[in-house]
Amino acid sequence: ETGVTQTPRHLVMGMTNKKSLKCEQHLGHNAMYWYKQSAKKPLELMFVYSLEERVENNSVPSRFSPECPNSSHLFLHLHTLQPEDSALYLCASSQDEGTLYEQYFGPGTRLTVT
Amino acid sequence: DQQVKQNSPSLSVQEGRISILNCDYTNSMFDYFLWYKKYPAEGPTFLISISSIKDKNEDGRFTVFLNKSAKHLSLHIVPSQPGDSAVYFCAASGGDDSGGSNYKLTFGKGTLLTVNP
Repeated sequence: ETGVTQTPRHLVMGMTNKKSLKCEQHLGHNAMYWYKQSAKKPLELMFVYSLEERVENNSVPSRFSPECPNSSHLFLHLHTLQPEDSALYLCASSQDEGTLYEQYFGPGTRLTVT
Repeated sequence: DQQVKQNSPSLSVQEGRISILNCDYTNSMFDYFLWYKKYPAEGPTFLISISSIKDKNEDGRFTVFLNKSAKHLSLHIVPSQPGDSAVYFCAASGGDDSGGSNYKLTFGKGTLLTVNP
């Protein structure tokens, strides 16, 4: 079974919609991450959760709201997004927080905001 | 301001030859460096890493070299195989001058490697 899964794989939403991205890891890891990759830009860390506690919020606008109900699931709730928020959103997990632990990435959700 | 730079957006090599992917960084606080590989429609996968206490790390066909004085690292793949065709991301961690966390990986924009049969 794939280690980190993300749904949906593609999402088109209007600026007034509310949607959620889901990430699930089957690796028994304690830390989970949301990254954003915009066109022609590097991957940018958005949020880090360790044991369901948020340990990093990388100056992300409040229209992005993460939720980590347990160590296997991570959500990114989206509301009133802007067209510039269109990007590939990647979820990752690692055994524990800290970059010395290898991060395993999901396939990503390609988001288009119209 | 980009702290990790991969100045070559693409690289094309012949099968069997060496591929050399380059990465430069500006933050002298970085002390751990990683390379990730990404196929289309998949997430990045970890390839190899190096700590700043070393200048070389080798794993099979993959070798990463670190030149701290030049703030430069490179990934060598030899011999290159068509299955190596992917986007390669350089990443670094270790905090910043303001005492940033070690949770954060700072990525480059990636280099698309194409290995021709």
